[in-house]
Amino acid sequence: QVQLVQSGAEVKKPGASVKVSCKASGYTFTNYDINWVRQATGQGLEWMGWMNPKSANTGYAQKFQGRVALTRDTSISTAYMELSSLTSEDTAVYYCTRDLPASYWGQGTLVTVSS
Amino acid sequence: DIVMTQSPDSLAVSLGERATINCKSSQGVLYSSNNKNYLAWYQHKPGQPPKLLISWASTRESGVPDRFSGSGSGTDFTLTISGLQAEDVAVYYCQHYYNTPRTFGQGTKVEI
Repeated sequence: QVQLVQSGAEVKKPGASVKVSCKASGYTFTNYDINWVRQATGQGLEWMGWMNPKSANTGYAQKFQGRVALTRDTSISTAYMELSSLTSEDTAVYYCTRDLPASYWGQGTLVTVSS
Repeated sequence: DIVMTQSPDSLAVSLGERATINCKSSQGVLYSSNNKNYLAWYQHKPGQPPKLLISWASTRESGVPDRFSGSGSGTDFTLTISGLQAEDVAVYYCQHYYNTPRTFGQGTKVEI
């Protein structure tokens, strides 16, 4: 069965970076895009960007341009989302999804930014 | 960027009654080449990842109860829950996947 398993919760200080992983199983990793979505505390869902695991092509929401990097390691079917220059407003649950429309989601990774 | 606007922001519906959520896109999300609307609906409950209910504006996902239905085309879409059940209490989002960025609506909270 298709599964996306994300890395565990993180606590970071303002100005730091965080890297969240998303390990795919149950399908051919390079056949489907990976999207990243976040939900800040008390806020709605926010689409951050997508990556094609085969080509490594990416697309980002303007809000995150220059601050987010989506990468992958096809040898271990894992996608990564790295967000830099963290502020308290980046405190959120981050999700990876397989393609859109998103039938499959990771379990979510809570990133807390606090001094 | 395509802006997705949902209405209302919240609604309270009695058990067994109908809930209607609207979603309007600032630009059309219908691809003329395949006549498909690139619009999805998700249900989101606390502590869980969102669940895909409807894709292509009106295609119900496997396993989704038939009380959930999607309609609309172009820029105006509707999610209808016919006969609200207690387990339907959640926040519902529309999202387009027509181009980048693939924006969500702000969400609609459904309560009993």
